[in-house]
Amino acid sequence: DVKVTQSSRYLVKRTGEKVFLECVQDMDHENMFWYRQDPGLGLRLIYFSYDVKMKEKGDIPEGYSVSREKKERFSLILESASTNQTSMYLCASSFAPPPYEQYFGPGTRLTVT
Amino acid sequence: GIQVEQSPPDLILQEGANSTLRCNFSDSVNNLQWFHQNPWGQLINLFYIPSGTKQNGRLSATTVATERYSLLYISSSQTTDSGVYFCAVGHGGATNKLIFGTGTLLAVQP
Repeated sequence: DVKVTQSSRYLVKRTGEKVFLECVQDMDHENMFWYRQDPGLGLRLIYFSYDVKMKEKGDIPEGYSVSREKKERFSLILESASTNQTSMYLCASSFAPPPYEQYFGPGTRLTVT
Repeated sequence: GIQVEQSPPDLILQEGANSTLRCNFSDSVNNLQWFHQNPWGQLINLFYIPSGTKQNGRLSATTVATERYSLLYISSSQTTDSGVYFCAVGHGGATNKLIFGTGTLLAVQP
């Protein structure tokens, strides 16, 4: 069975803290993605990675960085958390060749106070 | 960029009723997925359907790629079907980023 896990379901951090969100997949997928979901704005792509140590910016990369040192793990980093980064963060993975079906983790609800 | 529109935005059904959700997209796609987001926020994969028709129990989906739309059918709805249904499309290369529609909020009443 396909499995994508995220390190926390709920997280509360203070403004200015460095925050790490971890995502692990066990399907040997090449591609991994980080999205955020906000009311009224839907799901938006932050960053994605198509191979170890490879990354590309998505639609809203400002204020975020990522790390992919191993194929199964993709980390999202908030260098200095701000209140406007309070959101639901969703990780996904997929194979690179077709089918391109993406599988999502359970999500992390991050609150920055 | 590609636009994805879903209709209706909201839908209230009585248990046992049938419904059709629609997804229109503005360009050719090589990936189309339907998801159900449960109350805890998890996106559950329903269908991977860039073209053709698929069925899974009470749910079925059809994508007519040449006319740029997809339909999700829910038959004999149950209260557990409640939640938000998203259509998402991809039209890039191997990385195939998904562009999400704004979703349909479905409430099934007992």
